[in-house]
Amino acid sequence: QVHLQESGPGLVKPSETLSLTCTVSGGSMGTYNWNWIRQSPGKGLEWIGYIYDSGNTNYNPSLKNRVIISIDTSKNQFSLNLISVTAADTAVYYCARERVSSGGFDYWGQGILVTVSS
Amino acid sequence: DIQMTQSPSILSASVGDSVTITCRASQSISSWLAWFQQTPGKAPKLLIYKASSLERGVPSRFSGSGSGTEFTLTISSLQPDDFATYYCQHYNVYSRTFGQGTRVEIK
Repeated sequence: QVHLQESGPGLVKPSETLSLTCTVSGGSMGTYNWNWIRQSPGKGLEWIGYIYDSGNTNYNPSLKNRVIISIDTSKNQFSLNLISVTAADTAVYYCARERVSSGGFDYWGQGILVTVSS
Repeated sequence: DIQMTQSPSILSASVGDSVTITCRASQSISSWLAWFQQTPGKAPKLLIYKASSLERGVPSRFSGSGSGTEFTLTISSLQPDDFATYYCQHYNVYSRTFGQGTRVEIK
């Protein structure tokens, strides 16, 4: 059974960098897109971006100037770095696996709440 | 950018009812659409992909249809576990975009 788990600090100061890691277990990282998605409190879902196991990335245009997603297949992990955060970046951050061929985020982490506050 | 608009925002129904949620795309997206169910405090769960393909393990009372710009998710005979928020999501080579969500609540 595939399992995804987010980890990282739950509190980040304004103007600093939000850094999260997703650890994948129960399956390989090949032939999937590995995504980050967030949900502000009481709001809808916002796609942040994805990385393929080759390292190719694709980002939400509204965030692409502040986002870097990286992957370490030897550790079965991928990571999110979001720079220059503000209170508007406070959200639950999810990592999710996406099938390349048919689409669909089929496995999700449980989510991690990150609060941006001084 | 392609925008996804769901209607209604809130839907009140009873156990046993059949309900339909609509998702409209701002331009044609062929069949590149997925549907998710989310309950409070949980991650979304994939129900439907490619507009009408039922994800493995999802009950057959869930069905999706449509192509181009208009899509529907139908839940036949609502069950207590189905009261949740539902999201449509478009995907293509460039981007992924979610609808704003439809909350299905108990009447």
